[in-house]
Amino acid sequence: DTGVSQDPRHKITKRGQNVTFRCDPISEHNRLYWYRQTLGQGPEFLTYFQNEAQLEKSRLLSDRFSAERPKGSFSTLEIQRTEQGDSAMYLCASSLITTGWLSGELFFGEGSRLTVL
Amino acid sequence: AQSVTQLGSHVSVSEGALVLLRCNYSSSVPPYLFWYVQYPNQGLQLLLKYTSAATLVKGINGFEAEFKKSETSFHLTKPSAHMSDAAEYFCAVNPFPYNQGGKLIFGQGTELSVKP
Repeated sequence: DTGVSQDPRHKITKRGQNVTFRCDPISEHNRLYWYRQTLGQGPEFLTYFQNEAQLEKSRLLSDRFSAERPKGSFSTLEIQRTEQGDSAMYLCASSLITTGWLSGELFFGEGSRLTVL
Repeated sequence: AQSVTQLGSHVSVSEGALVLLRCNYSSSVPPYLFWYVQYPNQGLQLLLKYTSAATLVKGINGFEAEFKKSETSFHLTKPSAHMSDAAEYFCAVNPFPYNQGGKLIFGQGTELSVKP
């Protein structure tokens, strides 16, 4: 399978714990995006990378959130001291800059669902 | 701030009936517009996109959408619904200026149910 993969698919944690999600984009894609989707809402942009550089972060990304893409391939999204309000689906997407970023053709993974108790 | 509104969080149609999912955007300059579909337990998949070429855009699975600047709309249609069309549909914009790096703004989604 050469699509975008995310791990874990589901994570249940207690308030105050740290969690980390991993995203493996389509191999030749140089842009990687993180979105958050809560129940009944559309995806909301969190941040994106071009290769290893994090080019933009949304105001939704508080100081407890950190994302990395150390070698320009996979990416991790860490949430420290989780709160119940962090419960959501975290979506990763990738695109190829020469065709995707202008056309908006993002390729999404299946998401990582976080439940904070 | 630019936004996109999807009218109706849930639409139910009978198999074989017309599907119409509504999307309106707010922007003084026409944005790039997209429809994505999300099947249960799957990621979002691009259905079709408008990037200032033809105003009537054809996508996958028999869907099409028409860009109407005067109405700031980009409604999604399909002449005949199939059971397999049941899913969540999202309208999204890549607002002007278009170099937003893929920071799409999504609507709240419309869940389509298809009755046999």
